[in-house]
Amino acid sequence: NAGVTQTPKFQVLKTGQSMTLQCAQDMNHEYMSWYRQDPGMGLRLIHYSVGAGITDQGEVPNGYNVSRSTTEDFPLRLLSAAPSQTSVYFCASSHTGAQPQHFGDGTRLSIL
Amino acid sequence: KQEVTQIPAALSVPEGENLVLNCSFTDSAIYNLQWFRQDPGKGLTSLLLIQSSQREQTSGRLNASLDKSSGRSTLYIAASQPGDSATYLCAVRRVTNAGKSTFGDGTTLTVKP
Repeated sequence: NAGVTQTPKFQVLKTGQSMTLQCAQDMNHEYMSWYRQDPGMGLRLIHYSVGAGITDQGEVPNGYNVSRSTTEDFPLRLLSAAPSQTSVYFCASSHTGAQPQHFGDGTRLSIL
Repeated sequence: KQEVTQIPAALSVPEGENLVLNCSFTDSAIYNLQWFRQDPGKGLTSLLLIQSSQREQTSGRLNASLDKSSGRSTLYIAASQPGDSATYLCAVRRVTNAGKSTFGDGTTLTVKP
């Protein structure tokens, strides 16, 4: 039972580069979310989705894009990486809003 | 805007002690509240989920309560063990948009042998 799988686990980028953080879940969950976790600031919601084809912005969406073409996958795209985007990124999913969120192990991203 | 606060930020207790972690939220129109545990360098592990219509949930040595009207939840840990050392976070979902969760900054618990 894989749960929520995030790849890569670690990544170093240069300022201005673009990349995609992958998130996949095998639980047939409708709800998926991306968070970033920074020291002293807790988890902040970047983007979320309540089903395939439906996405919306969270608290800190600037500089990030998402799409949800399938139920299983919810990739997060950094368009032009900036040092302020250095963080740990977590993907989470739940069957509905009434069900518990399950988290992946995170992607540790450093931007130089 | 929903704000979630967890006090204290850090707590150190001797092994065997019973303890309470606090979570408060400013908007009582919540859908549910979830408690998580996070070990250093790891992801979040779900502990308990309380729906807005519930008063408490229990799992083993853990008991979470919810007082929606006062905007508070507590996580009670009985007979603490060194293995309970971790950061504990709470998160609330809104009634108006259950797709969004707001997290507290967490309480870092250290249980000393």
